Amino acid sequence: DAGVTQSPTHLIKTRGQQVTLRCSPKSGHDTVSWYQQALGQGPQFIFQYYEEEERQRGNFPDRFSGHQFPNYSSELNVNALLLGDSALYLCASSLRGFNQPQHFGDGTRLSIL
Amino acid sequence: KNQVEQSPQSLIILEGKNCTLQCNYTVSPFSNLRWYKQDTGRGPVSLTIMTFSENTKSNGRYTATLDADTKQSSLHITASQLSDSASYICVVSAERGSTLGRLYFGRGTQLTVWP
Repeated sequence: DAGVTQSPTHLIKTRGQQVTLRCSPKSGHDTVSWYQQALGQGPQFIFQYYEEEERQRGNFPDRFSGHQFPNYSSELNVNALLLGDSALYLCASSLRGFNQPQHFGDGTRLSIL
Repeated sequence: KNQVEQSPQSLIILEGKNCTLQCNYTVSPFSNLRWYKQDTGRGPVSLTIMTFSENTKSNGRYTATLDADTKQSSLHITASQLSDSASYICVVSAERGSTLGRLYFGRGTQLTVWP
């Protein structure tokens, strides 16, 4: 049973470019959340998708957008990249519900030059 | 403001020793509290989840406690092993009007176990 898979594992971009990160949730999970983790910091919530709609959003600008597909997989898009966007981007999947455990992927390491 | 504070920021212990990590939170309304272990370069892995009515939960050598009145939690690691070296993150879930909770993360405690 595959867990959460993310691609690519590493990515290097330059300022102003656009990037798309991908996430396949754990089998049976229908909810996907995205997090940004700067070096030495805890993850920061970006947004959460359920039933192909953005349900909740953290304090991130509109440059950050996402999508969830009918098969529950998800994409995170970031436009007009800034140096400060360099971070580990984590995807987590779960079932609906407050007390459902989240399963994390190993993330995509994004470096902006 | 919903916040999760962890202490200490970092900790070094010798293999075989015990240690306790602390977490204080101001998240409201409270739904549950989770402890995660994050190895370098990997995603977090869940250790425990505790709801309001639970005040202790164990997972092998890891024991988490929760005092919902004082909004404090601790993670106790017994007989530490080299593989315990990692960041330990406290996460608090807030209830919302929908069935989808919102998670608030602490910055983590970086634990290093020396041989």
